[in-house]
Amino acid sequence: ILNVEQSPQSLHVQEGDSTNFTCSFPSSNFYALHWYRWETAKSPEALFVMTLNGDEKKKGRISATLNTKEGYSYLYIKGSQPEDSATYLCAFSGGTSYGKLTFGQGTILTVHP
Amino acid sequence: DAGVTQSPTHLIKTRGQQVTLRCSPKSGHDTVSWYQQALGQGPQFIFQYYEEEERQRGNFPDRFSGHQFPNYSSELNVNALLLGDSALYLCASSLGTGVATDTQYFGPGTRLTVL
Repeated sequence: ILNVEQSPQSLHVQEGDSTNFTCSFPSSNFYALHWYRWETAKSPEALFVMTLNGDEKKKGRISATLNTKEGYSYLYIKGSQPEDSATYLCAFSGGTSYGKLTFGQGTILTVHP
Repeated sequence: DAGVTQSPTHLIKTRGQQVTLRCSPKSGHDTVSWYQQALGQGPQFIFQYYEEEERQRGNFPDRFSGHQFPNYSSELNVNALLLGDSALYLCASSLGTGVATDTQYFGPGTRLTVL
């Protein structure tokens, strides 16, 4: 059974704070790590697909890093805004999975004005 | 460009009934995956369809079945509903390369409540 763990489960920050959260995944048979942002009443939105150890991706104020050897990825948000409030999900994809995504339980971020 | 669409938005059924959920993929996509999200959990993979065939299946009983049509749209059928089937059902579409780096684009989900 694959275990993908995210921490913390929830996070409250003030507008302007920078924040980060963690996704842990199995380091064996790794192929890709996906990050999604999911706002309430909307569809999950793809942020990044990461494959290489040491990979860093950036999209505006959001960035992510990947360590496949130890099995973790960090998502960073610089200068959080209220519109960043959402659930952030990571999902692991193994080499033989044909795109099956195994999700963590998500980190719920609330940014207070 | 319409994204992934799902219908209906909400559905209420009683135990023992059968339900069909529908999904239209993003334009140009030929692969559809279905996920179940129970309260407080991340989405769990049910199965994936490509070229009208089930390509991969998660750990769900045979009560869960699906279909993909020639236009790539898909249905998820659940028979003999249990209370525990109450969840948000998400559909995702992607291009059919079948590799783990394919980005999956999700619909807004169908909320199923079983009474």
